[in-house]
Amino acid sequence: EDQVTQSPEALRLQEGESSSLNCSYTVSGLRGLFWYRQDPGKGPEFLFTLYSAGEEKEKERLKATLTKKESFLHITAPKPEDSATYLCAVQAWGAGSYQLTFGKGTKLSVIP
Amino acid sequence: DGGITQSPKYLFRKEGQNVTLSCEQNLNHDAMYWYRQDPGQGLRLIYYSQIVNDFQKGDIAEGYSVSREKKESFPLTVTSAQKNPTAFYLCASIDRSASTDTQYFGPGTRLTVL
Repeated sequence: EDQVTQSPEALRLQEGESSSLNCSYTVSGLRGLFWYRQDPGKGPEFLFTLYSAGEEKEKERLKATLTKKESFLHITAPKPEDSATYLCAVQAWGAGSYQLTFGKGTKLSVIP
Repeated sequence: DGGITQSPKYLFRKEGQNVTLSCEQNLNHDAMYWYRQDPGQGLRLIYYSQIVNDFQKGDIAEGYSVSREKKESFPLTVTSAQKNPTAFYLCASIDRSASTDTQYFGPGTRLTVL
C-alpha cells in the first residue's frame, strides 16, 4: 500500500527565515510525486511534479527536490503570502486509474 | 477561461436528505475525480471516472453515487446512507493525453449536515 507522510504538521517561520518541508513516501514504483498549495477554504493549486531521484524544480521562492525515499520543498526567504497548507502526493506505476495518494499536509505560517 | 467549477460553494443538508454536488470542467479532460477532505486528514478518493459512462469506486465510496453522462460533468450525490457527510468535497480532472499526469482541482464545496 502506498503511503505518504509529511512533516512537520505545522511550521511557523519569521518572514525571511528559510526552511524545508519533508514528504516521505513508500510506493511500489514511483510514477510521479506532486506538490500542491492549498489556501483555507479553497482547492489545491498545483506547484510541481517530480519524476525521478535527483530532479529539482523551482518556482519563485520554492524549490522541490526528490530522492528515492523523500521529497523536500525548500522555501527561501518566505513572505507572509506563502502561508498555506502544502500537500504532497504520489502516483505509482501500474495505477491505470491515475490515482494519487496524499499526505496530510504541512501548514505553514509566515509571520511578518 | 478554462477550468473546473464546483457548485454550490456551501451546502447544508438535513438528516435523511440526498444532495448533489456539481462539478463541471471545460478543459477537455478525460478523467475526473471526487475527493473528500476532513481536518487533519489527507484527501481521500470517493469515485473516479476515466471516460464517459464509466466510473469506479475509490477508497470511501459507501454512501455516495456518481454519474458521467457527459465528458464535462461529473456530479456527486451524497445519499442519506452516508453517516458522516460533513466535509469539504473536491473535484479534480486530469488530461490523460499529456506527458504529465497532473490533477487539477476545483474550488471545492463545503457540505454541512444540520
